[in-house]
Amino acid sequence: AQTVTQSQPEMSVQEAETVTLSCTYDTSESDYYLFWYKQPPSRQMILVIRQEAYKQQNATENRFSVNFQKAAKSFSLKISDSQLGDAAMYFCAFNAGNMLTFGGGTRLMVKP
Amino acid sequence: GAGVSQSPSNKVTEKGKDVELRCDPISGHTALYWYRQSLGQGLEFLIYFQGNSAPDKSGLPSDRFSAERTGGSVSTLTIQRTQQEDSAVYLCASSLITGGVETQYFGPGTRLLVL
Repeated sequence: AQTVTQSQPEMSVQEAETVTLSCTYDTSESDYYLFWYKQPPSRQMILVIRQEAYKQQNATENRFSVNFQKAAKSFSLKISDSQLGDAAMYFCAFNAGNMLTFGGGTRLMVKP
Repeated sequence: GAGVSQSPSNKVTEKGKDVELRCDPISGHTALYWYRQSLGQGLEFLIYFQGNSAPDKSGLPSDRFSAERTGGSVSTLTIQRTQQEDSAVYLCASSLITGGVETQYFGPGTRLLVL
């Protein structure tokens, strides 16, 4: 069974600054995928970024990038130039087959 | 194009009543998932459909929960004899495989409150 752990229940960042959200996971699988989803108060889970485990290069999507350390089973999300609209719950998720296994989430607050 | 839609957006019911939650996936997505999000349990997988069949029902919490999918499209999650612990947000996702990676796209969820 896979487990995903997000050790930071809440994080705060100043607008325009950079913040990193942590995620670790445990699995015996060698082929898997990792995702970060954002959930604003509207409840809609929005895909932020994804990473294939077989790729060594870290994924980037505009202001969002990941630091994927496969050996350490770590998958952190870096948000650069934080904006007020980035305020939301962020979930790290693991997929080795079909279903997603989610971490407990990190609530990100952005201060103007 | 249109995203995943779910109805109703909110549902309040009395303990013991049956409820039906509906999910319309993105057109062309063959896989469909149901998850439950509650304060105490976080996000939990319930059931997965590939086409109209459900290869994985392992997450359904009890036999009061059932789901079906027809025409490879719309899915209905039914909860019979609802209990207060069923109160949660029920999320549906459909998936597309691009570049060998399956990515799930979520609907806005149905918030269920059992009184």
